[in-house]
Amino acid sequence: AIQMTQSPSSLSASVGDRVTITCRASQDITGDLAWYQQKPGRAPKLLIHSVSTLQSGVPSRFSGSGSGTDFSLTISGLQPEDSATYYCLQDCNYPYTFGQGTELEIK
Amino acid sequence: QVQLVESGGDVVQPGRSLRLSCAVSGFSFSDHAMHWVRQAPGKGLEWVAVISYKGNNEYFADSVKGRFSISRDNSKNTLYLQMNSLRSEDTATYYCAKDRVTFGIGEIDYWGQGILVTVAS
Repeated sequence: AIQMTQSPSSLSASVGDRVTITCRASQDITGDLAWYQQKPGRAPKLLIHSVSTLQSGVPSRFSGSGSGTDFSLTISGLQPEDSATYYCLQDCNYPYTFGQGTELEIK
Repeated sequence: QVQLVESGGDVVQPGRSLRLSCAVSGFSFSDHAMHWVRQAPGKGLEWVAVISYKGNNEYFADSVKGRFSISRDNSKNTLYLQMNSLRSEDTATYYCAKDRVTFGIGEIDYWGQGILVTVAS
């Protein structure tokens, strides 16, 4: 199975900051990478699919980039409501695999 | 709007079986693959299984292969997860989830609210 190594596992930032979360795949996953946001007690929400395509309704401060094995999610201009755990997902090969998650705290 | 409602969660003893259901509405169920994803208490997300839109292709996580099966009834807009030989490590919130792609298999775009399965003696 493809392993997705996500970093950092947690981070703390202030409103207005720019933060980047990375995911590294154990093999080339081409463009089959999605990002999800999960708030406590809630189901995950799709933010970005196909590396960089913003899901409808997601604020433009979220962006994704990368190729091959290295990918990133960037949040520009952090808002208080961005406090959540973020996960990457590779949907290139079965079994699909998630990164371990990054817990983002807004100071 | 898209709605996915899981049911069937329970407390079960190790080795027993349980079937989860997911009733969907708000989209053309028969056009989309469907997934199950689980999350153990306080842990991250684990993809469990996917079934194609026609129901003729299924894929599983290694951790559940041979014990879990996935099925769907397109006439009832319902997805199922049959879980056999349950283990304590299967304790989790199970999410039913819709695939974003039409007539294919891609990533998940909508999730149910989740249902808790507890495996304990």
